[in-house]
Amino acid sequence: SQELEQSPQSLIVQEGKNLTINCTSSKTLYGLYWYKQKYGEGLIFLMMLQKGGEEKSHEKITAKLDEKKQQSSLHITASQPSHAGIYLCGARKYLTSSGGSNYKLTFGKGTLLTVNP
Amino acid sequence: DTEVTQTPKHLVMGMTNKKSLKCEQHMGHRAMYWYKQKAKKPPELMFVYSYEKLSINESVPSRFSPECPNSSLLNLHLHALQPEDSALYLCASSQGNARGSEAFFGQGTRLTVV
Repeated sequence: SQELEQSPQSLIVQEGKNLTINCTSSKTLYGLYWYKQKYGEGLIFLMMLQKGGEEKSHEKITAKLDEKKQQSSLHITASQPSHAGIYLCGARKYLTSSGGSNYKLTFGKGTLLTVNP
Repeated sequence: DTEVTQTPKHLVMGMTNKKSLKCEQHMGHRAMYWYKQKAKKPPELMFVYSYEKLSINESVPSRFSPECPNSSLLNLHLHALQPEDSALYLCASSQGNARGSEAFFGQGTRLTVV
């Protein structure tokens, strides 16, 4: 099955500091997704990466995909308390079925980010 | 607009009750999903609908019954649930169930079974 390992499991940083969260897949990646979640709430889509070497940015958050290493990194610059939450990486696993091709979106266990003012 | 709307936000139900969770999107997406999330765990896929047809059922117990009345709506009918079914239920949608499709999630329904 698609295994996504995230590191670190939790992270506490001082406001203004930079940080990086990593996501490594044990299988070939068919796209890599990053989401943010506040406890008990829905997942907020941050970005999707498809091609090796691809890099995307959303405000102060940048994500990169290294397809050869089957891993992605999420970097936050000058962190703010509003960045606090759980960051989840997700990837689609290819499934064969009688109905044709299907992809199952599965997630890593998440990284809990705390930003202290 | 990337909004997926789920109702209700919170639901408390007894083990003999029948209730339904609702999900709606107006992005023209043709794939819709139900996920279950327990505390401090990642979301786990339950069902996938593609073009209004059930394409993936992750061996979910029959007390959970999905329904896709049209391309914008997705329901999850609940009957005779157990306390261990208490969780956050998330709905998501994407253009299609394909590798390049961005998937957007709703705010979830917090379900408590008593």
